[in-house]
Amino acid sequence: DIQMTQSPSSLFASVGDRVTITCRASQSISSYLNWYQQKPGQAPKLLIYAASSLLSGVPSRFSGSGSGTDFTLTISSLQPEDFATYYCQQSYTTPHTFGQGTKLEIK
Amino acid sequence: QVQLVQSGAEVRKPGASVKVSCKASGYTFTDYAIHWVRQAPGQRLEWMGWINTGNGNPKYSQKFQGRVTITRDTSASTAYMELSSLRSEDTAVYYCARGGHYYDSRGYYYGAFDIWGQGTMVIVSS
Repeated sequence: DIQMTQSPSSLFASVGDRVTITCRASQSISSYLNWYQQKPGQAPKLLIYAASSLLSGVPSRFSGSGSGTDFTLTISSLQPEDFATYYCQQSYTTPHTFGQGTKLEIK
Repeated sequence: QVQLVQSGAEVRKPGASVKVSCKASGYTFTDYAIHWVRQAPGQRLEWMGWINTGNGNPKYSQKFQGRVTITRDTSASTAYMELSSLRSEDTAVYYCARGGHYYDSRGYYYGAFDIWGQGTMVIVSS
């Protein structure tokens, strides 16, 4: 199975900050990398697919980059509604594994 | 609107089975795969398997092979996930998710889980 590792596991930031979350795959997955946002008690929501393509309706402050084994999710200016847990997921092959999550909390 | 609605919470004893349903609406059911993902308390999301809703062919994670069965009823636009031989470690929220079709600027296909059910809590306890 492909292992997905995110860093950091938790992150404290303030409204207006720029934050970056990284995701590393244990082998090359080309651009088959998706990012999800999950709030407590809710199902995950797709933000970015194919490493850098923003899902329609997702604010442009979210962006993704990377290919191969190293990927990043950047939020350019944090808004109050962005405090949540973020997961990366590879869709290169089954099982479609997820990272352990990055919990973004208010400083 | 496009949505997946799952069945309600379940409590089972160890060794029993549970079957969770996922009803799709707002789109053509057989045009998209349905995946099942679970999340144990405080744990990462874990992919369990998926079903080709067109031909009914399932594929399972090796971790759950032999214990999980994913089926679908096209007349009801509903997918099902049954997990047997339950143990306490199976206590989790179980989600169904639609396998969306996406393409990059070069026309390459990418899959992503674009619509999720609300989740079904399954508690395994004696």
